[in-house]
Amino acid sequence: GIQVEQSPPDLILQEGANSTLRCNFSDSVNNLQWFHQNPWGQLINLFYIPSGTKQNGRLSATTVATERYSLLYISSSQTTDSGVYFCAVDGDTGFQKLVFGTGTRLLVSP
Amino acid sequence: DAGVTQSPTHLIKTRGQHVTLRCSPISGHKSVSWYQQVLGQGPQFIFQYYEKEERGRGNFPDRFSARQFPNYSSELNVNALLLGDSALYLCASSIDNTEAFFGQGTRLTVV
Repeated sequence: GIQVEQSPPDLILQEGANSTLRCNFSDSVNNLQWFHQNPWGQLINLFYIPSGTKQNGRLSATTVATERYSLLYISSSQTTDSGVYFCAVDGDTGFQKLVFGTGTRLLVSP
Repeated sequence: DAGVTQSPTHLIKTRGQHVTLRCSPISGHKSVSWYQQVLGQGPQFIFQYYEKEERGRGNFPDRFSARQFPNYSSELNVNALLLGDSALYLCASSIDNTEAFFGQGTRLTVV
């Protein structure tokens, strides 16, 4: 099956710093999503981005489907950005099966 | 607009018991999927239901079953609970296999 790798596994930033999270996947995908998991476990949708570039406030994402990677950019980080960021992809299985990476754990300190 | 809702939020069960978890999708969403997330890992796919039919199943034993009702809500059933079934169970809904939206999850503890 499709494999998803995220890097770095852990990231510690000072408030105000910028960061880039990477997601590599092993095969072509129909869907790619970025999520932020809050301390209570809820997965918050950040981007639905099977290809191209999107921006939402301080966050932006780029997916280069032909090269099988996606990047999540966080600018001017805030303590509320802390948590685990997951990339999830849906391969060509004929049904929706999101395969998640192992996540990037981000800690933003004041 | 109501998002995906799951019940209960927390549950404690004894080994060998049975559990039923419930999920209501976003209005208009006909697809419901279930995921299991154990501590320190990403969610793992269990089932997808679309228009009340099972469309896909992950690598989980037959103790796990699910169904979808005519109003598109869904139940996940787990029989003969094991300690290893302790996890956060997440439900997601979507329109036609596009962007998936997750509920807040049910945290199951098996003792």
